[in-house]
This record gives sequence, C-alpha cells and structure tokens, in this order.
Amino acid sequence: NAGVTQTPKFRILKIGQSMTLQCTQDMNHNYMYWYRQDPGMGLKLIYYSVGAGITDKGEVPNGYNVSRSTTEDFPLRLELAAPSQTSVYFCASSYSHSGDNEQFFGPGTRLTVL
Amino acid sequence: AQKVTQAQTEISVVEKEDVTLDCVYETRDTTYYLFWYKQPPSGELVFLIRRNSFDEQNEISGRYSWNFQKSTSSFNFTITASQVVDSAVYFCALSLRGGGSEKLVFGKGTKLTVNP
Repeated sequence: NAGVTQTPKFRILKIGQSMTLQCTQDMNHNYMYWYRQDPGMGLKLIYYSVGAGITDKGEVPNGYNVSRSTTEDFPLRLELAAPSQTSVYFCASSYSHSGDNEQFFGPGTRLTVL
Repeated sequence: AQKVTQAQTEISVVEKEDVTLDCVYETRDTTYYLFWYKQPPSGELVFLIRRNSFDEQNEISGRYSWNFQKSTSSFNFTITASQVVDSAVYFCALSLRGGGSEKLVFGKGTKLTVNP
C-alpha cells in the first residue's frame, strides 16, 4: 500500500513551459486535492475532486487545470508556467469529506519556474 | 470568512521543556472540524488529530495533548517533555462541511525547534 505518490519530486521550468504533476493514490479514496505551499505560508487549496469525473476549484485555481478520469489519478496541469507558480505542490486524498476523514498527503513536488 | 491564525511563527525550546502551540480559528458555521498536521524537515505532512465542533473534550496521546475551547475559538496543542524529533512545522487547519463545497483552511504554521 503506497498511499499517495507524486511525480516528479523536483522540476525546474522555464517561463511559458507547461507540465503535468502526477498524483496517484491506492487507497480507493473518493476525494482528492491539490495544494500549494509557499515559503512561510500554510497550504492553499488549488483544486479538488469528489470522485471520478467531478472536479471543482479551490482557493487559488488560476493558472492550473485538473482532470479526474479514474479514482486513482488526479493530475495537475500547468499550461503557461509563471514565476508566481514556484512552490511546493502537495496532492492529498481522503475517503470522504475532509471533515469526516483525515487527508493523506503525498511527499510533494518542488517546482521552480525561472 | 473562515480563517485560522497561528500567531507564533517560530518557537525554540530546550529538550524536555513543555511547549504549547496556539491556534485560533474563525467561522460562522456551527459544524466544522479542526486538525493538526506536522511537517518535519523531510517535508511530508503527517496527520496528528481531528476534532469536530461538537466534541470539546480535551485529548491526550502520549506526550501530545489538545485543548479545544469553543468559547475562545481556540484549539491549542501542547507537547510535554519535548524531544529533538518534535522539531517541525505544525499546521492547524479548519474544515467546513456542507453546501457541496470543500473548504480546508490552513494556518501559516508554527516552526518548532527543539534544541538538545
């Protein structure tokens, strides 16, 4: 049982490039989340999904897109990378609403946009 | 508006000291959930506790204890006899239920350094 896995662990992008951050969970969780963590700040919710085919915006969705074609996978897409997207990105999952269940976090992806 | 405030940005203690991390939250909802997470230097986030708004009982787990007081909108975390391995950033978070939307709001975190 690997839990929540994220790839890559580190990435450097040039301004305007695009990339997809991968997230997979093997716990059969319905809910999945993407957060970003900026230095000295808490986590901010980018997007979340309550099940396959259903996604919704969080607090800071601009510049990102997501899809949820399967229960296991929840990729985060950056279309035109900007320096403001330099951050550590965490994917998380939970069985149901975060109030009812704890969220399990992946190890994070450290992204630098130059 | 929903908000979590962790006023202590950094705390430094000597091993075996007790330390309390403060968390104050704001919400108009009557049903909500509070969490504490630990982020050690390795970077992962580790769940510590969840508490719902209807359960004001304090909780103790080994050297960790939590004091939930609705009257002051606080959910403080105490580590007794701190150890070097407790060095980490600790986040308090608030989750709201209902309305079909998902909201989990984190505080900015408190960096705890336990010196030997």
